[in-house]
Amino acid sequence: QKEVEQNSGPLSVPEGAIASLNCTYSDRGSQSFFWYRQYSGKSPELIMSIYSNGDKEDGRFTAQLNKASQYVSLLIRDSQPSDSATYLCAVNRGGGADGLTFGKGTHLIIQP
Amino acid sequence: NAGVMQNPRHLVRRRGQEARLRCSPMKGHSHVYWYRQLPEEGLKFMVYLQKENIIDESGMPKERFSAEFPKEGPSILRIQQVVRGDSAAYFCASSRNDRGEGYTFGSGTRLTVV
Repeated sequence: QKEVEQNSGPLSVPEGAIASLNCTYSDRGSQSFFWYRQYSGKSPELIMSIYSNGDKEDGRFTAQLNKASQYVSLLIRDSQPSDSATYLCAVNRGGGADGLTFGKGTHLIIQP
Repeated sequence: NAGVMQNPRHLVRRRGQEARLRCSPMKGHSHVYWYRQLPEEGLKFMVYLQKENIIDESGMPKERFSAEFPKEGPSILRIQQVVRGDSAAYFCASSRNDRGEGYTFGSGTRLTVV
């Protein structure tokens, strides 16, 4: 059974600091990896996607992937109060007929 | 370019009634996915459809739930004889391909069964 595990939090980080969010997955056949941000009562919004080992940077966000360890992370630099949300990790086998498998999400709180 | 459109935004049904949730994918997207999110839970995959075909329904309950994506018109998620446990947010997403590229979620339909 495919599983994606995240620490549910809440993770509390001071404004301006680096927030580090982690995710592990069980399906070694996973090829595509995503981080979504979801505000309370809203739909998930794609933050980052990553497909190969290493780091991928986009503005204040950096996604890190280690397929050997089956580990994905998201770093948020210079954290802002508006970053306070639930962050969902999702994986996809790709090339096949399945949707995304989501973790339960990590609730991030940025303290002003 | 409109995003993924879901309607209604909120739906209230009495136990035993039918709920019909609609999803129009983004322009140029032919892959549609339905997810359910219970309170304080992550999104659970239900079904993946392409036009006129159900590709994967492994996440959908065997009874009372059905989905379709006709040649014309939106994708429909139908829940028959709703029960209180069906109360949840139902999200639709669409993508350009089955790798999840361009994956975009609609704003969701919040179903409340009373």
